[in-house]
Amino acid sequence: EMQLVESGGSLVQPGGSLRLSCAASGFAFKTYEMNWVRQAPGMGLEWVAYMTTSGTTIHYADSVKGRFTISRDNAKNLLYLQMNSLRAADTAVYYCARDRRAIDGAFDIWGQGTMVTVSS
Amino acid sequence: DIQMTQSPSSLSASIGDRVTITCRASQGISNSLAWYQQKPGKAPNLLLSAASRFESGVPSRFSGSGSGTDYTLTISSLQPEDFATYYCQQYYSIPWTFGQGTKVEIK
Repeated sequence: EMQLVESGGSLVQPGGSLRLSCAASGFAFKTYEMNWVRQAPGMGLEWVAYMTTSGTTIHYADSVKGRFTISRDNAKNLLYLQMNSLRAADTAVYYCARDRRAIDGAFDIWGQGTMVTVSS
Repeated sequence: DIQMTQSPSSLSASIGDRVTITCRASQGISNSLAWYQQKPGKAPNLLLSAASRFESGVPSRFSGSGSGTDYTLTISSLQPEDFATYYCQQYYSIPWTFGQGTKVEIK
């Protein structure tokens, strides 16, 4: 079964840092572009970051640029999101999502999400 | 950035009703559009890509159409399991953007 499982979410104070992980299984992780998408409580979906297979191309939403860093370890089938200088507005469920760019670019596999709460 | 505007933001419908959700992009996206279904507490699930291409396992009552800037998701006969929130997403250009969602509720 193709699967993504996020971890690392927790309660953190404003200005703090957190690293999220996304473990992939059941497919050739190294051959897929990957994304992070977040959803604030009761709100819609917001794309956060994108990374190509080898990491040569990375893009961020303006709302996180300069504070968040996406990375991956293809040998371990892991995707990461390092989040620094966290703000209350970053409170959300964070999903990793597989990007089917070789076919069309839709996000065809999603993890279950991990909750990040930024509060004092 | 390409803005995606969905309408309506919510609707009430009965079992068996035909439901139509529209998504308008602020510029042409060449059918680079996906539709997702999300149920409470769950991750989004890809229903359609390329505006009208079914994902494996998606019931045939779901269909997508459109071109240019205007796209539509139609549920031909609403079933109990279809009550959820639906999002469109353009993957034509970065930043990828989602519509604000359409919540389909039971009348």
